[in-house]
Amino acid sequence: EPEVTQTPSHQVTQMGQEVILRCVPISNHLYFYWYRQILGQKVEFLVSFYNNEISEKSEIFDDQFSVERPDGSNFTLKIRSTKLEDSAMYFCASARGGDEQFFGPGTRLTVL
Amino acid sequence: GQQLNQSPQSMFIQEGEDVSMNCTSSSIFNTWLWYKQDPGEGPVLLIALYKAGELTSNGRLTAQFGITRKDSFLNISASIPSDVGIYFCAGQGGTSYGKLTFGQGTILTVHP
Repeated sequence: EPEVTQTPSHQVTQMGQEVILRCVPISNHLYFYWYRQILGQKVEFLVSFYNNEISEKSEIFDDQFSVERPDGSNFTLKIRSTKLEDSAMYFCASARGGDEQFFGPGTRLTVL
Repeated sequence: GQQLNQSPQSMFIQEGEDVSMNCTSSSIFNTWLWYKQDPGEGPVLLIALYKAGELTSNGRLTAQFGITRKDSFLNISASIPSDVGIYFCAGQGGTSYGKLTFGQGTILTVHP
């Protein structure tokens, strides 16, 4: 069964460093999303992406964040200058076109 | 923004018991989804609901989309130890391909 994959599974970085989180959505899906989950809290929406552009973004998704679909398979989230409060699980999700979003296993980001 | 209130926060039950959890919102949603999350993993889609009043089953799971479009419940019948995890409701409003708003989660513990 096709699934969303994410790399790395765990990323440790120093405050102020740039990180890129990578996702490979399900191959025939057209809608892509990033969410984050701070430890012990609920999942929060960051950004949605369709037709090579951002469809919607939350207030969390400020100028330090960017997304890209550099080729036909990858979908990336970049944080330009990480802060301590960026430490969280980051989940990529994709949808074919309906309402069912399928999530990847997540990347645990730890900012020191 | 849109908020979902999910209850109960946690449940401790014996194997074989039935479980019920629900989500309410002050806003209308067009779609309700229920996810299960195991520790350190991404949310896994259990059931998706698209129409007010809709009742949908998936094995031992049954979920309903409230008639007012502001609530949903999930029932698990005859619980087993592998049902342990965190269950999240998620609502999707506005465009069909939009962001998911998640509830705070229900932590389910099943004693054998």
